[in-house]
Amino acid sequence: EAGVAQSPRYKIIEKRQSVAFWCNPISGHATLYWYQQILGQGPKLLIQFQNNGVVDDSQLPKDRFSAERLKGVDSTLKIQPAKLEDSAVYLCASSDTGELFPEAFFGQGTRLTVV
Amino acid sequence: DQQVKQNSPSLSVQEGRISILNCDYTNSMFDYFLWYKKYPAEGPTFLISISSIKDKNEDGRFTVFLNKSAKHLSLHIVPSQPGDSAVYFCAASAQAGNMLTFGGGTRLMVKP
Repeated sequence: EAGVAQSPRYKIIEKRQSVAFWCNPISGHATLYWYQQILGQGPKLLIQFQNNGVVDDSQLPKDRFSAERLKGVDSTLKIQPAKLEDSAVYLCASSDTGELFPEAFFGQGTRLTVV
Repeated sequence: DQQVKQNSPSLSVQEGRISILNCDYTNSMFDYFLWYKKYPAEGPTFLISISSIKDKNEDGRFTVFLNKSAKHLSLHIVPSQPGDSAVYFCAASAQAGNMLTFGGGTRLMVKP
C-alpha cells in the first residue's frame, strides 16, 4: 500500500513570497490533515478535511494560509505571503474513517525555510 | 495552553532495559490516545493506541498504560533496542478520527 505522498521535500523562499505544498493521501482515505511542526515542538493541526469539506480550520492563519481539497483526494496548502515564523515542517496525514479507531498516517513532510 | 504535555524532552536508556515515556493531558474530553515515533527527516509513524475504555494495550515490546483519573499515560518499551532511538510523540483526540493534539515529544536514546 502506497503511503502519503508530499512534495516538495524541501523549499527555501524569501519572506513575503508565496509557496504551495501538495499532498496525495492514501487511496480511499476520506480524512486528510495538514499539520505544522516547528523545530522542537509537536505537530500542530492547521486544517482537517473530510472528503472535500473542511471539518476544522480553527488554527489556520487564514490571512495568509489557504488549503483546498477540491475533488476529495489531493490537497494543496498555500502560504501567501510567507513570514519568517512560517519556517517549519508541513506534514500531511490521512486516515480511514471506516476504521473503528483510525490512526493518522503521515507523509515525510515538506521542510520550509523562510529567509 | 498545552493540552498534551511530555515533560521529559529526552531520555537515555541502556540496550535491553526498559524505556518509560510519560505523557500528561488536561482535556477530560480526550478519549483516544496514540503514540507516534519519528526518525529524522521522516514523518511520524504510528506505534500504538489506546481508547479510554481500556487501561492497557500491548503490542510486542510496546505497552501503553492509561490512568484516566490522573490524566496520564505512559509507553513502556521492553527490551529497548538501539533501533528504538527516535523522538516519541504522544497524541490525543476527543473522538477517534478527529484532530490529534500532540505533545512536544521525547527524544529516546538507546545505548548499546
